[in-house]
Amino acid sequence: KNEVEQSPQNLTAQEGEFITINCSYSVGISALHWLQQHPGGGIVSLFMLSSGKKKHGRLIATINIQEKHSSLHITASHPRDSAVYICAVPYNNNDMRFGAGTRLTVKP
Amino acid sequence: EAGVAQSPRYKIIEKRQSVAFWCNPISGHATLYWYQQILGQGPKLLIQFQNNGVVDDSQLPKDRFSAERLKGVDSTLKIQPAKLEDSAVYLCASSFSGIETQYFGPGTRLLVL
Repeated sequence: KNEVEQSPQNLTAQEGEFITINCSYSVGISALHWLQQHPGGGIVSLFMLSSGKKKHGRLIATINIQEKHSSLHITASHPRDSAVYICAVPYNNNDMRFGAGTRLTVKP
Repeated sequence: EAGVAQSPRYKIIEKRQSVAFWCNPISGHATLYWYQQILGQGPKLLIQFQNNGVVDDSQLPKDRFSAERLKGVDSTLKIQPAKLEDSAVYLCASSFSGIETQYFGPGTRLLVL
């Protein structure tokens, strides 16, 4: 069993739809990261959260530490949101474990 | 603030050849990471440096991969000789310390033919 599991692996949505990507982890953490990777390989950090909820524009991330689960939501999705979204969990001092990613395609 | 720089951006080589990648982290960042990301998978940590010392290289295939950060700033990752399965994006990241946000470079896409 992977230490960090994401679902779904692939997601296709129509423009405007509400999107949810889930991340479950089995290692103890103090914070969790959501990353965005566009075609070409560049990775951008979206959120780092340790409790509750964070919002940035149309993106919302929530985390439940007790249940070891986090979700990334995108409201009013747009084709430019098409990317791979990766959940990353600090594993021990200075190390991280990454999920395999969720490939999101938003069609106009 | 300048981000993490990597070069080259793309490299195509034949199997059994050697290749080297370069990374310049954000100024002042003590921790530097090299990741391998195979298509369809999340990044896998190859090696982590704290200044010029190795913290973790447990997943580095040491028979063919090597990395150094001699002066605690720039780092070089080398593959010698390359195999077909080494085709991947090699990402460099840096952080100031601890488990704060890691900042990723644009990656080097390697294709081994």
